[in-house]
Amino acid sequence: AQSVTQLGSHVSVSEGALVLLRCNYSSSVPPYLFWYVQYPNQGLQLLLKYTTGATLVKGINGFEAEFKKSETSFHLTKPSAHMSDAAEYFCAVRRGTGGFKTIFGAGTRLFVKA
Amino acid sequence: KAGVTQTPRYLIKTRGQQVTLSCSPISGHRSVSWYQQTPGQGLQFLFEYFSETQRNKGNFPGRFSGRQFSNSRSEMNVSTLELGDSALYLCASSSQASQETQYFGPGTRLLVL
Repeated sequence: AQSVTQLGSHVSVSEGALVLLRCNYSSSVPPYLFWYVQYPNQGLQLLLKYTTGATLVKGINGFEAEFKKSETSFHLTKPSAHMSDAAEYFCAVRRGTGGFKTIFGAGTRLFVKA
Repeated sequence: KAGVTQTPRYLIKTRGQQVTLSCSPISGHRSVSWYQQTPGQGLQFLFEYFSETQRNKGNFPGRFSGRQFSNSRSEMNVSTLELGDSALYLCASSSQASQETQYFGPGTRLLVL
């Protein structure tokens, strides 16, 4: 069975500081991995995804994530936080076959201090 | 292209009633998935429809059902509402291949009193 663990339900950083949001997954088959962002009263927006190929994935708004199979991790980073990055972030995993059943982590709320 | 639309955006019902939520996917997308989001349980997969057929189902009771029409629009129905069904219901659409991105709608916020 697939599962996703996001370490830290809340993360607080100062504006301009590094953002690091942690995600570990378990999957019996090679998964597809995703990071989504959710702003208040909105749906989810895809930041980036890993399906195959290069393990360092670049996404929108300066975010990137690295797929590390040996560590079963897919941590999200951004070199310099901006106030507009304050939101909730979800890591998700999906099997490579069999449709779109996506399993989400519990989410990490990012706070950015001025 | 217009995004995924969900109607209604907000809904208040009482226990025991039933509710139908609607989702219109992005034009050309044939897969529609539904998710329930609550503070306690987070985001949970309900079901996925592809070309009018339910392809995947999550662990929800039979009170939760859905369907997809030939134009790919989808509805989900919850019968005999319970207080715990209060949630944000999100719909996502995608094209045929499973590695493709799911695009989410803004959600329907359901409050059960």
